[in-house]
Amino acid sequence: DADVTQTPRNRITKTGKRIMLECSQTKGHDRMYWYRQDPGLGLRLIYYSFDVKDINKGEISDGYSVSRQAQAKFSLSLESAIPNQTALYFCATSDRRKGQPQHFGDGTRLSIL
Amino acid sequence: QKEVEQNSGPLSVPEGAIASLNCTYSDRGSQSFFWYRQYSGKSPELIMFIYSNGDKEDGRFTAQLNKASQYVSLLIRDSQPSDSATYLCAVTRMDSSYKLIFGSGTRLLVRP
Repeated sequence: DADVTQTPRNRITKTGKRIMLECSQTKGHDRMYWYRQDPGLGLRLIYYSFDVKDINKGEISDGYSVSRQAQAKFSLSLESAIPNQTALYFCATSDRRKGQPQHFGDGTRLSIL
Repeated sequence: QKEVEQNSGPLSVPEGAIASLNCTYSDRGSQSFFWYRQYSGKSPELIMFIYSNGDKEDGRFTAQLNKASQYVSLLIRDSQPSDSATYLCAVTRMDSSYKLIFGSGTRLLVRP
């Protein structure tokens, strides 16, 4: 089983719909992250959480919200989806020690029509 | 200036050659450096990390770090067609968040 699991893997939806992307991990890591990736723009950080009570905005948080339901679960919501949120979304986790690498889930390909 | 810069490529090398991928960063306080490999449509996969100046070798991969010049490189020896992918350089910042800052990646093509 994957250490970092994202659901769904693919989603096609319409403008204005509410969408939730879920991430769960079995690595025991405290830190969790949500990124989006667009061609030519690399990985951009949406939100990150250092523990259940510590949630922080990343560089592109507008139009997104998150919930850290437990140490192992971190969800990303698009309250009212718009076409320019079409992208590949990744969840990642890392250990709390300084300078540790991040480990990525398999991603969710989201298309908004 | 981007915080982490990489040539987008593609870098094309023949099978069996050494591929050299470079990355520069702007934050002098950065202390941890990572290389990820990403196949098209897949997630980034950690292949190397380096914390100290000098070289670090792992199989066919060597990471090189020069903090004074603010660059980190990845060498892939005996390149194989299966190494064809985008390679992402990532660097930690020295602010309290310890987030990773990613470059946009270099696309590597290994010709059979």
